[in-house]
Amino acid sequence: ELKVEQNPLFLSMQEGKNYTIYCNYSTTSDRLYWYRQDPGKSLESLFVLLSNGAVKQEGRLMASLDTKARLSTLHITAAVHDLSATYFCAVDMGVSGSRLTFGEGTQLTVNP
Amino acid sequence: EAGVVQSPRYKIIEKKQPVAFWCNPISGHNTLYWYLQNLGQGPELLIRYENEEAVDDSQLPKDRFSAERLKGVDSTLKIQPAELGDSAVYLCASSLYMNTEAFFGQGTRLTVV
Repeated sequence: ELKVEQNPLFLSMQEGKNYTIYCNYSTTSDRLYWYRQDPGKSLESLFVLLSNGAVKQEGRLMASLDTKARLSTLHITAAVHDLSATYFCAVDMGVSGSRLTFGEGTQLTVNP
Repeated sequence: EAGVVQSPRYKIIEKKQPVAFWCNPISGHNTLYWYLQNLGQGPELLIRYENEEAVDDSQLPKDRFSAERLKGVDSTLKIQPAELGDSAVYLCASSLYMNTEAFFGQGTRLTVV
């Protein structure tokens, strides 16, 4: 059974600071997604990582994937209040079709 | 382009009553998913459709939950009878094909009292 673990689960940081969210998963996969969810809203796709060594950046967020270590990171650079949300990583087993297994989510609060 | 549309957004029902949720996926998307999200947790897959065929329903509690996707477009998820523990957000998502990026609707927040 695939397990996806994120840490930290809660993150409070000040504006302007940098931080990294980690996503570990237990079985081989080469498809990993990062989503953002605002309170009461649905999931917004941030990044799709499809191969070992993939790195993608959008604004102050950068995601990477190391399939050998079964690890993805979401790095936040110079955080701003608008980044406050819950961030989920999701791993796609993809053996017989899509089945996203989500982590528990990291609740990020960026304080002024 | 319209995204995944779900209705209703909110539903409050008494336990043992039936309830149904509706989903209209992004036009042209062949794969449709229903996920369950409990408070403070990540979504969990209930069922996946490829066109009109349910190809992964191993996580669907079939004693009370049912789903259909007639004509391979819209989908309905039903619970009968609802239990208190069914209170959660029910998310619908769609993707162009399997193993491609999934896009989520806004969800239906169900409260069973």
